[in-house]
Amino acid sequence: DAGVTQSPTHLIKTRGQQVTLRCSPKSGHDTVSWYQQALGQGPQFIFQYYEEEERQRGNFPDRFSGHQFPNYSSELNVNALLLGDSALYLCASSFEGRETQYFGPGTRLLVL
Amino acid sequence: AQSVSQHNHHVILSEAASLELGCNYSYGGTVNLFWYVQYPGQHLQLLLKYFSGDPLVKGIKGFEAEFIKSKFSFNLRKPSVQWSDTAEYFCAVNARAGTALIFGKGTTLSVSS
Repeated sequence: DAGVTQSPTHLIKTRGQQVTLRCSPKSGHDTVSWYQQALGQGPQFIFQYYEEEERQRGNFPDRFSGHQFPNYSSELNVNALLLGDSALYLCASSFEGRETQYFGPGTRLLVL
Repeated sequence: AQSVSQHNHHVILSEAASLELGCNYSYGGTVNLFWYVQYPGQHLQLLLKYFSGDPLVKGIKGFEAEFIKSKFSFNLRKPSVQWSDTAEYFCAVNARAGTALIFGKGTTLSVSS
């Protein structure tokens, strides 16, 4: 049973560019959440997708957007990258209404 | 707004020592509580969780945590740590199953053999 997978594992971009990160949820899961983990900090919630709709959003600017596909996989898009966007981006999946979120290995983004 | 505070930033122990990591949360309603662990080079894994019932919950690898509602605390304990417990530990809370997790800043545990 495959767990949560994310791609790419590492990414280097320059300021002002745009980036797309991808996530495939654990088998049987229909809800995907995205988190940003800056160095030395705990993960911070960006948003959550369920039934292809953004259901909940954290305190992140509109430069951060996402999408969920019919197969429940998800993308995180960040426009106009800033140096401060450098972080580990984590995807977590769960089954609607169930308690536990399972995390993927993350995508490490470096903005130069 | 919910928040989570982890008191210890870095804890250094010898093998066989006892461990207690503090976690306090700020939220007025019913909460669900979690401890996640991140071993070096690995992804976040769930150690244990509390939703209701017995406030003393047991997780994997001999860890346990106690929910004390009056103190808004959910401290993690282990009677005897091993070198393999070296990792980053995160306390997290949410208000409803499956919704956004609010994490603390984490505690780095270093265990020397």
